[in-house]
Amino acid sequence: AQKITQTQPGMFVQEKEAVTLDCTYDTSDPSYGLFWYKQPSSGEMIFLIYQGSYDQQNATEGRYSLNFQKARKSANLVISASQLGDSAMYFCAMREADFSGNTPLVFGKGTRLSVIA
Amino acid sequence: NAGVTQTPKFQVLKTGQSMTLQCAQDMNHNSMYWYRQDPGMGLRLIYYSASEGTTDKGEVPNGYNVSRLNKREFSLRLESAAPSQTSVYFCASSEIRTQYFGPGTRLLVL
Repeated sequence: AQKITQTQPGMFVQEKEAVTLDCTYDTSDPSYGLFWYKQPSSGEMIFLIYQGSYDQQNATEGRYSLNFQKARKSANLVISASQLGDSAMYFCAMREADFSGNTPLVFGKGTRLSVIA
Repeated sequence: NAGVTQTPKFQVLKTGQSMTLQCAQDMNHNSMYWYRQDPGMGLRLIYYSASEGTTDKGEVPNGYNVSRLNKREFSLRLESAAPSQTSVYFCASSEIRTQYFGPGTRLLVL
């Protein structure tokens, strides 16, 4: 059974600093996808970044990058140059049988990030 | 291009009442999903539809039914609401390499 673990319930970071949010996963499926979402206090789920298990390079989207270590089964999110607007809940999620795009995600419990001025 | 839309945004029900949560997507995605979010629990899958005409149970399907009305629309029905169904409900649709969420419905069952 697939499983996602986020071990940091809460994190603090100084504005303009970089921060890493941890995520480990467990699956026996060779084809899987890893996702990160941001949930601000307003409640919507905002898609940030995706990494496929067969992707050769680590994913990057603007200030977000994914540190994908396949052998360690980790997919940590790195946010560079933190901004006050980055304060939110962050969820890591995984999807098995990822080749179709038609399977559901399994989510971790999330990490609450607080950016300090 | 509205993405994924959900109605209503907020609802209060009494125990035993029924209601249907509506979801629609305009991205021509095959698959659609219903999740619920409870404090400290992340999101959990209720039901999903991998393609038009198919539905499957997720982790927490008890007390819910779904209908994939067409490729665009996927509704979630509570036949007899219970206080344990107080939650935030998210609809989503997906394609390869992403999954997009609607704004959510906050449901309070008294």
